[in-house]
Amino acid sequence: KQEVTQIPAALSVPEGENLVLNCSFTDSAIYNLQWFRQDPGKGLTSLLLIQSSQREQTSGRLNASLDKSSGRSTLYIAASQPGDSATYLCAVTTSQLSFGAGTTVTVRA
Amino acid sequence: NAGVTQTPKFQVLKTGQSMTLQCAQDMNHNSMYWYRQDPGMGLRLIYYSASEGTTDKGEVPNGYNVSRLNKREFSLRLESAAPSQTSVYFCASTIGAGSHEQYFGPGTRLTVT
Repeated sequence: KQEVTQIPAALSVPEGENLVLNCSFTDSAIYNLQWFRQDPGKGLTSLLLIQSSQREQTSGRLNASLDKSSGRSTLYIAASQPGDSATYLCAVTTSQLSFGAGTTVTVRA
Repeated sequence: NAGVTQTPKFQVLKTGQSMTLQCAQDMNHNSMYWYRQDPGMGLRLIYYSASEGTTDKGEVPNGYNVSRLNKREFSLRLESAAPSQTSVYFCASTIGAGSHEQYFGPGTRLTVT
């Protein structure tokens, strides 16, 4: 059974600092890894999708890397802003999508 | 293009009552999914439908039934609600099972008293 872990569970940083969010998974036979953002009381918004054959994906200030062999992904958010405050979830697809519990980020103005 | 829509947004049930959560997508996706989200546990898959006419159990199917009414719609039914089913329920869809991006609805917040 795929286990997905996100550490830390919560993170608070001052505005302008770079954010580093970690995700690890136990079964490396994945199709892809997806990073989502969830605002309080809202649904999930897809941020980045990395296929198993890729090493990284970038979108604006966001960059996600994937090391399938070690079962790790990292989401980098450059020059954080208060609007980046949210919970970030990673999910990996094997036969199904398996989610981590998320990292709740607070960016202090 | 509304994406994935869910109704209702909020619901309160008494133990033993039944209800159906509705989900629809307008992206011509083949696969649809129902998840529940509980504090500190991430999202867990309840049921999924890889294509129209098929449904399969996920990680936590007990107490739920589903119907893939057509390609657009996938409903989740609670026959006899229990307090343990208090959760936020999300529907999602993707073009096909496997390597494709999943798109999520806004969720239904269900409380069972």
